[in-house]
This record gives sequence, structure tokens and C-alpha cells, in this order.
Amino acid sequence: DQQVKQNSPSLSVQEGRISILNCDYTNSMFDYFLWYKKYPAEGPTFLISISSIKDKNEDGRFTVFLNKSAKHLSLHIVPSQPGDSAVYFCAASAGAQKLVFGQGTRLTINP
Amino acid sequence: KAGVTQTPRYLIKTRGQQVTLSCSPISGHRSVSWYQQTPGQGLQFLFEYFSETQRNKGNFPGRFSGRQFSNSRSEMNVSTLELGDSALYLCASSPEGRRVNTEAFFGQGTRLTVV
Repeated sequence: DQQVKQNSPSLSVQEGRISILNCDYTNSMFDYFLWYKKYPAEGPTFLISISSIKDKNEDGRFTVFLNKSAKHLSLHIVPSQPGDSAVYFCAASAGAQKLVFGQGTRLTINP
Repeated sequence: KAGVTQTPRYLIKTRGQQVTLSCSPISGHRSVSWYQQTPGQGLQFLFEYFSETQRNKGNFPGRFSGRQFSNSRSEMNVSTLELGDSALYLCASSPEGRRVNTEAFFGQGTRLTVV
């Protein structure tokens, strides 16, 4: 049972444009959501998070949007840079429970 | 501050063998979680240890086990290895707090290949 789904295995975006990565979840008990970025041969690194009491959180070029009614969150990267090319994982948790991760989306930024 | 350290980085084992992986968390972190990453499956949660006690457990068979020592270092063991156990095993440490498993800091992982 995949409680967190990233339906796009890959995404290709031109440098300078907006990258939008999407994530859907099924568990209504999730109240905290995170995005992680992973380069090859490295562990995931925390990028940005959002609590269920908010619908938007911004950190520099990165913005996460949460739509609780649709059980959907998205990560916007503006403007996209070559160094943003990586695999992005969304994750969710309920209270102090484990983090549940999606399958990941491979983002490629083209010059 | 040193990051999360996992050893070894790479491992090749034969079917039926057993393997032990090690994780040293960030100093001061008491929560250690283990994940298995395989292509197309994302990061699958194995278990979490906090103060030497297993606090959360994922849906993996009993061949997968772990433990945590008093210095918060953790080991995971896989017995009777199967080809499907080939994966990247990631360890993450988290600081104390109500949300001990959020904003986890990951190690570089151990790449296990079972032949």
C-alpha cells in the first residue's frame, strides 16, 4: 500500500524555467510533509517542509504547496538551475511516526 | 559537526549469507532509522531505534533486524540473504523532540549486492 505517491518517475526542464514536482498521499492522518533531494552516491538531504496547518512554505527558490482537500503537495523550483538535477523524494509523517517516502522523481535541468 | 557515517560503503555477499551494516549518527542524536532504497520503490522504512529501543517497525520479514547501542550507534543485520535484498541501505539520525523522525539527516548509504 503506497501511501505516498510520486507518479512522475522523471521530469525534464529547461534552465531558468520553473520545475514543478508533484506528490499525492492517501493517509489523512499525515500532518507533516517534507521534500528531500538526492544526488547519486549520496544520501538524501532535507530541502523544505510544511506543516498541515499551512498551505504554502517558501525558502529561496523553493516553494512547497499543500492542498489538504486534494491530498496533494507540490514543490516549485524557480528559476531551475543545473545543480538542481537530482532525484527528489517527498515524505510524510503522522505525529511522531515514521517518515513515509514516495518513489522519487528524477529531475533533469537542461542548459 | 560530523555527519551520519555508514560502513561499509559497498558490500557483495552470496545468497544465504548474513550481513551486518553499521551506522554512527550525528553526535547528540538519539533516533536512528533505517531505510531500503530500490529502483521504483523509493525509500522503504525498515525500523527506528530511540534510546536503544525499537520504536517503529516497517513491513519487512524477520530476517531484517537491528539494534542500537548506548552511544546511539546502530547496526542492522540481514540473515539468509536473498537476491532481492540487493539495495542501497540508508541510515538517518534525528534530534530529540516531539517529531523525532522529521528532518532526518541521512548517511551516504551502504550498497549491498547479493549474488
